[in-house]
Amino acid sequence: AQTVTQSQPEMSVQEAETVTLSCTYDTSESDYYLFWYKQPPSRQMILVIRQEAYKQQNATENRFSVNFQKAAKSFSLKISDSQLGDAAMYFCAYRRLNGGADGLTFGKGTHLIIQP
Amino acid sequence: DSGVTQTPKHLITATGQRVTLRCSPRSGDLSVYWYQQSLDQGLQFLIQYYNGEERAKGNILERFSAQQFPDLHSELNLSSLELGDSALYFCASSVGLGLAYETQYFGPGTRLLVL
Repeated sequence: AQTVTQSQPEMSVQEAETVTLSCTYDTSESDYYLFWYKQPPSRQMILVIRQEAYKQQNATENRFSVNFQKAAKSFSLKISDSQLGDAAMYFCAYRRLNGGADGLTFGKGTHLIIQP
Repeated sequence: DSGVTQTPKHLITATGQRVTLRCSPRSGDLSVYWYQQSLDQGLQFLIQYYNGEERAKGNILERFSAQQFPDLHSELNLSSLELGDSALYFCASSVGLGLAYETQYFGPGTRLLVL
């Protein structure tokens, strides 16, 4: 079974600074997708960024980028120029390619605090 | 707003009771997923439906069941409720078969409290 581990229960960063959230995963599959979801206090789950395992290039979405290290099974999220609205729980998630007959496997989450 | 709607927003009930949570997917989406978020277990995938048929099962208890109707809305039925079933239940939808690359759009969730 796949597992996703987020070793940082909480992170704090000053507004406008850069922060990196860590995620590691365990799988025997070679093809899969990785995701970062944001859950603000409203509890809504919002997709931040995703990465296809077969792509070597790291995904970027505006201020959000990932560092995907397939051999190390590591998938970290970098948030540049942190803003107050970035304060939220961040969840790393995995989904195997397998014809879609599966759901997302989530990590336990990292609580990101933005200091003004 | 993701376009996925869930009702009710909050539900308070007693142990042993049965409840039904409802989800309407985004317009045009054929796949519906149910997830449970609790303090103990974190976010867990429960079950997926595609166009009315069950497609994948996760950590869903036997006391729980779901279905997807011809109009594509879905219901999650929770019976013989226990205190540990208190959680936030999310529905998500995606456009097609539910392939891995499809973005899952989450609803606002139903918060269930079992007393």
